[in-house]
Amino acid sequence: TQLLEQSPQFLSIQEGENLTVYCNSSSVFSSLQWYRQEPGEGPVLLVTVVTGGEVKKLKRLTFQFGDARKDSSLHITAAQPGDTGLYLCAGAPGNQFYFGTGTSLTVIP
Amino acid sequence: EAGVAQSPRYKIIEKRQSVAFWCNPISGHATLYWYQQILGQGPKLLIQFQNNGVVDDSQLPKDRFSAERLKGVDSTLKIQPAKLEDSAVYLCASSPVGQGGYGYTFGSGTRLTVV
Repeated sequence: TQLLEQSPQFLSIQEGENLTVYCNSSSVFSSLQWYRQEPGEGPVLLVTVVTGGEVKKLKRLTFQFGDARKDSSLHITAAQPGDTGLYLCAGAPGNQFYFGTGTSLTVIP
Repeated sequence: EAGVAQSPRYKIIEKRQSVAFWCNPISGHATLYWYQQILGQGPKLLIQFQNNGVVDDSQLPKDRFSAERLKGVDSTLKIQPAKLEDSAVYLCASSPVGQGGYGYTFGSGTRLTVV
């Protein structure tokens, strides 16, 4: 059983569509992070959410931290081919830092 | 600032052979991590160093994997002997603090193929 479950695991959409990726856990996190990873590269940090209920926007990306700090979502508006990649949530309920199961996004031109 | 350097980028070996990966973290980063990432999945922590001491190696298969961080800077991860299921990308990351993922910077990884 994974500590951080992401859904969907795979997502293939047309350019211009909207999408939401979910990250869920039974554990409480003091913060959660979202990363994006391109093929052949390491993950790159997109955002850190800290406060329950917090919403952060990064251009067309909107990140939300659940009120109970057990879940988070990433919403992309008007997806573009450059958004293609593996999206990972991550956090540390204790001393160890965990990554989620990952969502592989493909945006078709 | 220079990023986390890893080498080699790619390695193909036969099962039962040995292999070693090298990581040079960002200067001044006290904490260094090695992750194993199976294609399409999230990275799994293998070992965490704080300076040259091991903080967490609970998920390191110690019968075949070993890692060291001499002088608290560079680190090497070794697999001996390799199995087919070790085929993965091995990522190194460093951070200036000890936990929580803050300030994480990843290297580009080493893609290992065991045939």
